[in-house]
Amino acid sequence: AQKVTQAQTEISVVEKEDVTLDCVYETRDTTYYLFWYKQPPSGELVFLIRRNSFDEQNEISGRYSWNFQKSTSSFNFTITASQVVDSAVYFCALSDLNTGGFKTIFGAGTRLFVKA
Amino acid sequence: DGGITQSPKYLFRKEGQNVTLSCEQNLNHDAMYWYRQDPGQGLRLIYYSQIVNDFQKGDIAEGYSVSREKKESFPLTVTSAQKNPTAFYLCASDTGSGNTIYFGEGSWLTVV
Repeated sequence: AQKVTQAQTEISVVEKEDVTLDCVYETRDTTYYLFWYKQPPSGELVFLIRRNSFDEQNEISGRYSWNFQKSTSSFNFTITASQVVDSAVYFCALSDLNTGGFKTIFGAGTRLFVKA
Repeated sequence: DGGITQSPKYLFRKEGQNVTLSCEQNLNHDAMYWYRQDPGQGLRLIYYSQIVNDFQKGDIAEGYSVSREKKESFPLTVTSAQKNPTAFYLCASDTGSGNTIYFGEGSWLTVV
């Protein structure tokens, strides 16, 4: 069965602090995809990253970085030197390709507050 | 510009009325989805469609109906049978299994 757990409901940091958002997933499939989305106050979910299960290489994009570890079934997201504009809800998601994959499962989300 | 357009952005419904939320995409995506989000909650899948003229129930389909007569369009009707319809509704699409899902801007539905 698919499951995505984002244990952190809310996180509050001061601007310029680094912050890590945790994501733990469960799947029986060997082929799957993991995603992170950002939902700003406007409501639209903005795609941030997609990672397939065969690529454990960490990725960095500007102030954003992602740590994928299959051994712990985790796909954590770090924002370096956070800014007020990073305030949003962040969702981790899982799509199982072998079981159809047409139904992507989302975690409950982590609300990030960045204070000036 | 390519994307997903949802309308209306805000909608008020009287109890007992059916309302339809529009979703149109020009991304040439085969699959389309409707999710519901309640305040402070995650996304729950209502219905999804992988191809034209076919759709499947998601986790919370009761009180909702959809149609997929055209590849570009996937309207959602919130019926009077849905007892607690006040929520934020998100339409999404992708090219197929495992690919990135892209979202519209969402529609806020309030029952008055």
